[in-house]
Amino acid sequence: EDKVVQSPLSLVVHEGDTVTLNCSYEVTNFRSLLWYKQEKKAPTFLFMLTSSGIEKKSGRLSSILDKKELFSILNITATQTGDSAVYLCAVEAGEETSGSRLTFGEGTQLTVNP
Amino acid sequence: ETGVTQTPRHLVMGMTNKKSLKCEQHLGHNAMYWYKQSAKKPLELMFVYSLEERVENNSVPSRFSPECPNSSHLFLHLHTLQPEDSALYLCASSQDWGSSYNSPLHFGNGTRLTVT
Repeated sequence: EDKVVQSPLSLVVHEGDTVTLNCSYEVTNFRSLLWYKQEKKAPTFLFMLTSSGIEKKSGRLSSILDKKELFSILNITATQTGDSAVYLCAVEAGEETSGSRLTFGEGTQLTVNP
Repeated sequence: ETGVTQTPRHLVMGMTNKKSLKCEQHLGHNAMYWYKQSAKKPLELMFVYSLEERVENNSVPSRFSPECPNSSHLFLHLHTLQPEDSALYLCASSQDWGSSYNSPLHFGNGTRLTVT
């Protein structure tokens, strides 16, 4: 059974802090790892990672994948109150000849205080 | 605006009621999904439709009945629900089923369902 574990489950920081969110996984036939941000409504796509060691970056957010150790991290630098949200990690797996399956982690609730 | 619209935003229903959730996507995608999000639990995939055909049904109780009349619309018909069915129901779409390479999931804002 595919498994995705995120940590911490909850995090409270002050504006300006840097945070690191973790996602570890155990799946068969890994294809990709995705990060989403959910602010009380629709999760919105942040990154998709398929290769180890290649950092994806968007503004103050960045993410990297380690396929050997089976984890990914999401970094947010100089946090702002608008970064407060649940950050979801999802892993896509499956053989090339069949449809893939997507397994979500429980999410990390990030609260950024002014 | 995410390109995926869900109605209603909130729904309160008794256990004997029948109601339907609606989802519409304006992205030209070929696959549509229903997910259930309960407090402190990961998103759970319920149903997947690809080109209007159901391709996945993850052991969902028969009191949930999906319908996909065309590639832009998806419904979830509800009847005789239980209080533990209270959750956020999210609709999503993607370019194609089976790979995130083409496009990741695009989610709607969800329907917050409360069963009394």
